[in-house]
Amino acid sequence: EAGVAQSPRYKIIEKRQSVAFWCNPISGHATLYWYQQILGQGPKLLIQFQNNGVVDDSQLPKDRFSAERLKGVDSTLKIQPAKLEDSAVYLCASSLGGLAGGSDTQYFGPGTRLTVL
Amino acid sequence: AQSVSQHNHHVILSEAASLELGCNYSYGGTVNLFWYVQYPGQHLQLLLKYFSGDPLVKGIKGFEAEFIKSKFSFNLRKPSVQWSDTAEYFCAVSPTGGATNKLIFGTGTLLAVQP
Repeated sequence: EAGVAQSPRYKIIEKRQSVAFWCNPISGHATLYWYQQILGQGPKLLIQFQNNGVVDDSQLPKDRFSAERLKGVDSTLKIQPAKLEDSAVYLCASSLGGLAGGSDTQYFGPGTRLTVL
Repeated sequence: AQSVSQHNHHVILSEAASLELGCNYSYGGTVNLFWYVQYPGQHLQLLLKYFSGDPLVKGIKGFEAEFIKSKFSFNLRKPSVQWSDTAEYFCAVSPTGGATNKLIFGTGTLLAVQP
């Protein structure tokens, strides 16, 4: 079974530029997550989708970050404009869905390492 | 506020030594508990999970963890580590009862096993 796919794997940009990341979840997984992992910290949830609807975006910095999952399958996360503190690994995860309340096992992709200069 | 603490940031062991990594969480309600592992150059993968029932859970590769509710702890153990266990280990919790499946991670423990 194919895992969660992400691209690009690495991205270097200058501050104030924009960047976009792409994620394709495991086939049949209804729930998709984006996490931000800053060096030395654990991953932090940015946004959770159930199909193409947003379940939780409480920690997404909405003034510069946006995410969409138009057809309920793959998703893009955008940062515009980027700041130095956005340097991190951006992880996408997916789960089957249908099991709310923390009981749905999440499967992670390889991540995109973003460096903002 | 919900949080997860992993007290050991770096651990160095020799092969065959026993391992115990601490994890404590802070949350007023019921949680599901997870340990994830990230081997060098690989993505995060699930090691084991606890939802309910027997508080001693067994995962892959000989790992186990014990949930002690009174101590808000979910420590990871392995009786004899191997060089291939070198990795970063993350403890995570997910509050139950809501619509979100948010995972709240600790800061991770980097384990180096010397041959």
